[in-house]
Amino acid sequence: GQQVMQIPQYQHVQEGEDFTTYCNSSTTLSNIQWYKQRPGGHPVFLIQLVKSGEVKKQKRLTFQFGEAKKNSSLHITATQTTDVGTYFCAGPNQAGTALIFGKGTTLSVSS
Amino acid sequence: DAMVIQNPRYQVTQFGKPVTLSCSQTLNHNVMYWYQQKSSQAPKLLFHYYDKDFNNEADTPDNFQSRRPNTSFCFLDIRSPGLGDAAMYLCATSPSSASGAYNEQFFGPGTRLTVL
Repeated sequence: GQQVMQIPQYQHVQEGEDFTTYCNSSTTLSNIQWYKQRPGGHPVFLIQLVKSGEVKKQKRLTFQFGEAKKNSSLHITATQTTDVGTYFCAGPNQAGTALIFGKGTTLSVSS
Repeated sequence: DAMVIQNPRYQVTQFGKPVTLSCSQTLNHNVMYWYQQKSSQAPKLLFHYYDKDFNNEADTPDNFQSRRPNTSFCFLDIRSPGLGDAAMYLCATSPSSASGAYNEQFFGPGTRLTVL
């Protein structure tokens, strides 16, 4: 069945270091969404990418959608302690009826 | 502020004792979702409503039922909770396209269910 995979599962960085999480889908996606879930919190929508090769920036966060629309990445420049949490990518299933979430990358940051 | 509200935030039930979790929204979105999230795992979709049309995921156990009496409210009924049903249950809403899958989802704070 359709799968959305993310690596790494866990990442620990020192404050100020960069961080990247990668997302791969087994099928071509019409769009990909990214969510952040803080410890003890609920997922919060960050961004949606739709176009092949699209790059979007939100302050220190850079999101990319691959040319083949099967992979995506989230890069955080100069991490801060407020970046701590689990980052999920999610793409529509083939029927277009629901989102399939990746397993997430949990980021920890030490100051 | 427009939002997704879940009650209760914490629910303790006994093995086999039916429990109902509730979700309400002030966003007026016509798509509502129920997810189950276990520790350190991704949210797993149980079912969703597009308006009153109910869509069950193929691997959602029969033990889980849902009701949506109106646009604002949605309920998750667990008929006979087992120890394996202990989890965080997240409600989410989305403005539609036809299925809502293409639009961002707004999550409630979740209800953490403990089964004794």
